[in-house]
Order: sequence, then structure tokens, then C-alpha cells
Amino acid sequence: DQQVKQNSPSLSVQEGRISILNCDYTNSMFDYFLWYKKYPAEGPTFLISISSIKDKNEDGRFTVFLNKSAKHLSLHIVPSQPGDSAVYFCAASEDSGAGSYQLTFGKGTKLSVIP
Amino acid sequence: DAGITQSPRHKVTETGTPVTLRCHQTENHRYMYWYRQDPGHGLRLIHYSYGVKDTDKGEVSDGYSVSRSKTEDFLLTLESATSSQTSVYFCAISESLGTLALGEQYFGPGTRLTVT
Repeated sequence: DQQVKQNSPSLSVQEGRISILNCDYTNSMFDYFLWYKKYPAEGPTFLISISSIKDKNEDGRFTVFLNKSAKHLSLHIVPSQPGDSAVYFCAASEDSGAGSYQLTFGKGTKLSVIP
Repeated sequence: DAGITQSPRHKVTETGTPVTLRCHQTENHRYMYWYRQDPGHGLRLIHYSYGVKDTDKGEVSDGYSVSRSKTEDFLLTLESATSSQTSVYFCAISESLGTLALGEQYFGPGTRLTVT
């Protein structure tokens, strides 16, 4: 059963507009959430994260919102730029007990920013 | 960028042959991870290590083994490769505070493995 779901495989947005990527999770033990960006033929790059004790975290053009009651988080990119075109992965983690956070990833959303 | 390299970057091998992928880090991070990425599945954890000679299984560990004899190197071995192990493999590392891993993981460039 998939614990982290990204229900939109793809998203197209006009340059300069807002991109909103969504992620849902089912495991209430998740306490840390991350977004990664991935370009073709490269490894995922960490973008932004949020702890379960917060509901918003902002870093430049990127903001992540967390709604714990709905088990939903979203990534907002404002303004969107052509260089933002990539696959975005949502990930969640919980302490596995050995002190190691294991990440559970969604399947990804491919964002295309149209000039 | 975190200092993570993976070798080889590409490999084609035949079914039944052993394969070893290497991950090397220069960050002296305690935690290291191996993931595979497949279409329709995102990234899935194979094995991870929380110190030299300390490893544990992830979600999709069957058919894989790992070893970590030095802080900087984490090896992933397919004892007898199968076509279902054709994938892109990513190594990741994370810092720790004492024995507790921090949440962010940093990924290497990946190894594309094809098993024919």
C-alpha cells in the first residue's frame, strides 16, 4: 500500500505563474517531510523540508505547506521559471528506531514550465 | 554539492552474473543508503547503513546485499543479477546528530544497470 501519494503525474504551468504540487500521506507516524527535485540523468536534489510541528516553511521562491489533519502537503513555487522544469518527489520519514530516518517517496510529479 | 560519487555510472550485465556497485563519499557522514528508481515506483530503499559494519534492510532488499568496511564506502552487491533488477540505483548520505540521522538525504548521480 502506497504511504506517500502524488496523484498528479504531470503539471504544466506558464512562466511567472504559481506552481502547486500536491502530496498526500497515510502513515500518521511520519514526522518529517521533504521535497526533492530531479533532472534527467541526475540524482535527486534536496529542495525544502518541513517538520510535523510546523505548518509552513519558506525558502525563497519555494514554500511547503503541511496540513496534518488532512495528511496533505503541498509545494508552491512562485514565480515559476523554465529551470524549474523537473520531476518533483515528495518524501516522508519517521525514526525507524535505530536513529535512522528512512525516506518513503511518492512516485513524482513532472513539472513543465512553459516560457 | 555533497561529495558523493557512484561507480560505475552505467553497466550492462547478463542474468546470473554478480554485480557490485560502489558509493563513495567525502563528507564523513555516518548514514548511507541505497535506493532504486523504477518507472511508476518513485525511489525505494534497498538497504542502509548507520555506521561501519552496521547495516539494515529496506523496503526492497531481496536479492541484494551490502557492505560497509569504511566510513566513506558503501557497496551494493547483486549476487546473481536478474532482469527485474534492471534499474537506476542511487546512493544517498545523511548527517547525524550523535546517533540520530538528520532528515535530509543527499544523493549521488546514480548508476544505470541493465541486466540482459
